[in-house]
Amino acid sequence: EVQLVESGGGLVQPGGSLRLSCAASGFTFSSYSMNWVRQAPGKGLEWVSCISSGTSIIYYAESVKGRFTISRDNAKNSLHLQMNSLRAEDTAVYYCARKKQVGIDAFDIWGQGTMVTVSS
Amino acid sequence: QSVLTQPPSTSGTPGQRVTISCSGSSSNIGSNTVNWYQQLPGTAPKLLIYSNNQRPSGVPDRFSGSKSGTSASLAISGLQSEDEADYYCALWDDSLNGVVFGGGTKLTVL
Repeated sequence: EVQLVESGGGLVQPGGSLRLSCAASGFTFSSYSMNWVRQAPGKGLEWVSCISSGTSIIYYAESVKGRFTISRDNAKNSLHLQMNSLRAEDTAVYYCARKKQVGIDAFDIWGQGTMVTVSS
Repeated sequence: QSVLTQPPSTSGTPGQRVTISCSGSSSNIGSNTVNWYQQLPGTAPKLLIYSNNQRPSGVPDRFSGSKSGTSASLAISGLQSEDEADYYCALWDDSLNGVVFGGGTKLTVL
């Protein structure tokens, strides 16, 4: 079964750090670009970052640029998001999502999400 | 404010046809293909339409997508109670160098 499972969420103080992980299974992880998408409580979806299959291409949303770092370990079928200098507005459910294929910027597989709460 | 504009809400009765619009600009809808996601309450989003009008396997043909210029639409025919959800358009934006989502449209089945 094709599956993405996020972990690493929790409660963190403003200015703190957190590292999210996404474990992939059921498909050839190294062949797909991967993304992080977040959703603040009661709000819409917001794209956060993407990384190409070979890690050579990385993009970030302006709202997280300079604070978040996306990475992947193809040998371990895992995706990560290092989040530093966290702010209250980073509070959200964070989803990892697979890009469907090269040339199609659609996310066809999503994890169940992990909640990040930034609060003192 | 989202780069892509969607109506916040819409509604319909069972069996009816509803459409949800998504308005963008030359750097997003005018240049790239549109995707639509369905998010049922309390669940992760699900890909509903990709590349403007393609349905992933398993998505009923009651759902269809279209694009014209800098706008796109999602149509749902034969509305069913289980279609009650939030719907989002999304695609790559060449100016922002990132994916942009519409603000989402909450569909209520009366």
